[in-house]
Amino acid sequence: SQKIEQNSEALNIQEGKTATLTCNYTNYSPAYLQWYRQDPGRGPVFLLLIRENEKEKRKERLKVTFDTTLKQSLFHITASQPADSATYLCAPGGSQGNLIFGKGTKLSVKP
Amino acid sequence: DGGITQSPKYLFRKEGQNVTLSCEQNLNHDAMYWYRQDPGQGLRLIYYSQIVNDFQKGDIAEGYSVSREKKESFPLTVTSAQKNPTAFYLCASSTNRQGIYGYTFGSGTRLTVV
Repeated sequence: SQKIEQNSEALNIQEGKTATLTCNYTNYSPAYLQWYRQDPGRGPVFLLLIRENEKEKRKERLKVTFDTTLKQSLFHITASQPADSATYLCAPGGSQGNLIFGKGTKLSVKP
Repeated sequence: DGGITQSPKYLFRKEGQNVTLSCEQNLNHDAMYWYRQDPGQGLRLIYYSQIVNDFQKGDIAEGYSVSREKKESFPLTVTSAQKNPTAFYLCASSTNRQGIYGYTFGSGTRLTVV
């Protein structure tokens, strides 16, 4: 069955550093992959989409890579700020067309 | 402003009762979804709908029912057959099933069985 792993439940970093979150998937080949941010008690918010033919996508301080050979996506936040503290969800586009969400990585940025 | 509205924000249910969670969107999106989120777990798909009067079961549909009589509305009923209904429920919509432009989520309904 399709499986998604976000390899850290929690990540703690210092303000100003780059946060790197990892998403690995197995048993399918998504045509695209999305990243979302979720704050406590709120619904996820769409951040970025990257397609299988794109190696890298950037948006302001965010950067996403997509390696279809490794079956992995990396999500980077540069110059991190305490306001970036949240849970980040990876969501590859499933074979049935619907998104499949990972469990998320909780990022804490300390001042 | 366009968006998705879920109500109520908090809901308490007694054992054996059915409850209905509301989800309304004014984004003119064709596809709508219901997810359940439990602590330490990812979002699990309950039901989804691509067009009016049509919907499909997701991974954990047992004990739930939906309807899609209008494009804007996709209510979820949690029936007494659902053994462990306490959870955070999220409704989402997208322009199409593939969600290639991303899903828009509501702010969620927290259901507690008392």
